[in-house]
This record gives sequence, structure tokens and C-alpha cells, in this order.
Amino acid sequence: AQSVTQPDIHITVSEGASLELRCNYSYGATPYLFWYVQSPGQGLQLLLKYFSGDTLVQGIKGFEAEFKRSQSSFNLRKPSVHWSDAAEYFCAVVRSNSGGSNYKLTFGKGTLLTVNP
Amino acid sequence: EPEVTQTPSHQVTQMGQEVILRCVPISNHLYFYWYRQILGQKVEFLVSFYNNEISEKSEIFDDQFSVERPDGSNFTLKIRSTKLEDSAMYFCASNRGVGELFFGEGSRLTVL
Repeated sequence: AQSVTQPDIHITVSEGASLELRCNYSYGATPYLFWYVQSPGQGLQLLLKYFSGDTLVQGIKGFEAEFKRSQSSFNLRKPSVHWSDAAEYFCAVVRSNSGGSNYKLTFGKGTLLTVNP
Repeated sequence: EPEVTQTPSHQVTQMGQEVILRCVPISNHLYFYWYRQILGQKVEFLVSFYNNEISEKSEIFDDQFSVERPDGSNFTLKIRSTKLEDSAMYFCASNRGVGELFFGEGSRLTVL
């Protein structure tokens, strides 16, 4: 069964500092990969996704993520964090050969980001 | 931009009561999903729905749960007799079968 590990439960950074949130997955083949963000009291918003092609993907709000097949990782990065980035971040995977009725995302436990002024 | 909408945003109920959570998926999407997030835990898959029937359900989705698409726009999750451990945020999502899931803002259920 596929699984997603986000090793950092809580990260605190200063505003303007760089950020990297880690995500590792366990799956026999290349999955589709996603990062979602959840602001307090809000729903899940897609930041970016990887299906195939260029392993460095750009997302909204200045985020990017790099897929590294050899490390089974899909880490999220941002060069300069803003106070509004404080939220919980979820990595998610789905089997790339799935679709339609068996298209089921598996989420990591999330990383809570605190941004200090 | 089209979005998934959910009502209510927050519901408080007594243990043993029935609860219906409502969702309006994006209009041209065909696949609908419910996910659940217990406070402090990961988002978990509950059920997927296509062509007016359940496609797949998790072990969490027991006989107390049911889903329905009563008309052309709504997609509902019913919990027949709520338990304390049903307290969670429930997310509805939809897509066209591949690609990202589009999530609603969630319905927070509190069972007392």
C-alpha cells in the first residue's frame, strides 16, 4: 500500500527566510504527487502537482517542489517566506495508473508552519 | 473560478443523532469524494462515488455512513447515528477522474 511520510510535524521560520518541507512516499511506481495547503479554518487548496516531465514544478504563491525518484521524495520549497504562509501543508500521492472511480489520494500527516515576524 | 461548496460549515450534534452534510461539486465533474480529518490527524479517504453509486469505500465508511446524489447538483454524506469519534472535519471533493482533486472548505462536525 502506498504511504506518505512528512517527517516534520512543526516547523518555525522567520519571515523572509527560506523554507523546505519534506515529503517521502512509498510506492512501487511513480505516483502522481501533490502539495495542498490548509490555512486555519479553511479547506484544502492545491499548491502544485507533479504528473510527469520536468521534475521541478512551480506552484502558486511562489512555491516549488522537486520530484526526486531516487530518494522517493517530493520536497516543497519557497525562497522567502511571508507571514501569510503560516498554515498546515499536506503532501499527497495517488497511483499514476489509477483513475476514475479508484482515484484515491493518500495524505501525509501534515507539517504545521509557523512564521515569526 | 468554479469551486466545491459545502454546508454547513460547522454543525454541533448530540451523540446518536443523524447528520447530513451537503456538498455541491463542480458542475462538469463526474467523480465525487468524501474525506475526513480528525483533529490533529491526517486527511483520510472515506468514499468515492461515480455514476450514482459508490465506487470505493474505506474501512472507516461503515454501515452508519451513506452517500447520495439526490439531484443533479448535490452530493450528501449522511451519518445515521453519530458517535463521539465522528467529530472531525469532513471534506467533499470532486474531479473528472484524473488530475487533482478539488476540495471544499469542509464541514466541521462536533458530536457531544
